[in-house]
Amino acid sequence: GAVVSQHPSWVICKSGTSVKIECRSLDFQATTMFWYRQFPKQSLMLMATSNEGSKATYEQGVEKDKFLINHASLTLSTLTVTSAHPEDSSFYICSVEAAPLAPLHFGNGTRLTVT
Amino acid sequence: AQTVTQSQPEMSVQEAETVTLSCTYDTSESDYYLFWYKQPPSRQMILVIRQEAYKQQNATENRFSVNFQKAAKSFSLKISDSQLGDAAMYFCAYRSVQGAQKLVFGQGTRLTINP
Repeated sequence: GAVVSQHPSWVICKSGTSVKIECRSLDFQATTMFWYRQFPKQSLMLMATSNEGSKATYEQGVEKDKFLINHASLTLSTLTVTSAHPEDSSFYICSVEAAPLAPLHFGNGTRLTVT
Repeated sequence: AQTVTQSQPEMSVQEAETVTLSCTYDTSESDYYLFWYKQPPSRQMILVIRQEAYKQQNATENRFSVNFQKAAKSFSLKISDSQLGDAAMYFCAYRSVQGAQKLVFGQGTRLTINP
């Protein structure tokens, strides 16, 4: 069965609104989760590393005020796209590791469309 | 920073034949992990195979095997007896064992299986 649950699987929102994406670890506690973004026909680009109980670590070029990450518990990390614009439309995927350097488990992804 | 390069945007193979996907990477580290992930149309990321850099023996998983050439920084994936279900995007990825331990992906290779 699924190890990581990502919700919603797809969402359409209007420009200027905010959207929250959840990533849940179902089988184990995860101190670290990763958020990726994938544009059509492109690779996965790491956006940020989500650390339970502390601030997320963002990759260069990723706006931390626009992509808010909250890792409030050992099983849940959320990514909020604030004031979404059409250029934020993309596929967002989270991944979780059960232990340091253990193979990553990926969520099914969220397709965000901003109109 | 580490980089991963997949020089074949697309590959095709006849069903039951063998195909090799190429991957090179750049790093100054001596210990790391390398992966091949499969992303079918559902966009779920599926781990195909993993290789620890300190191991000289090439990893194998059923019909999937790798040719790991550490000095050349090459990590190719061989798929034997190709099946229709193997059709997908394949991503090569690198992960450090130190520091941020981020997973860095290559650009991907789209594999088509011809019946």
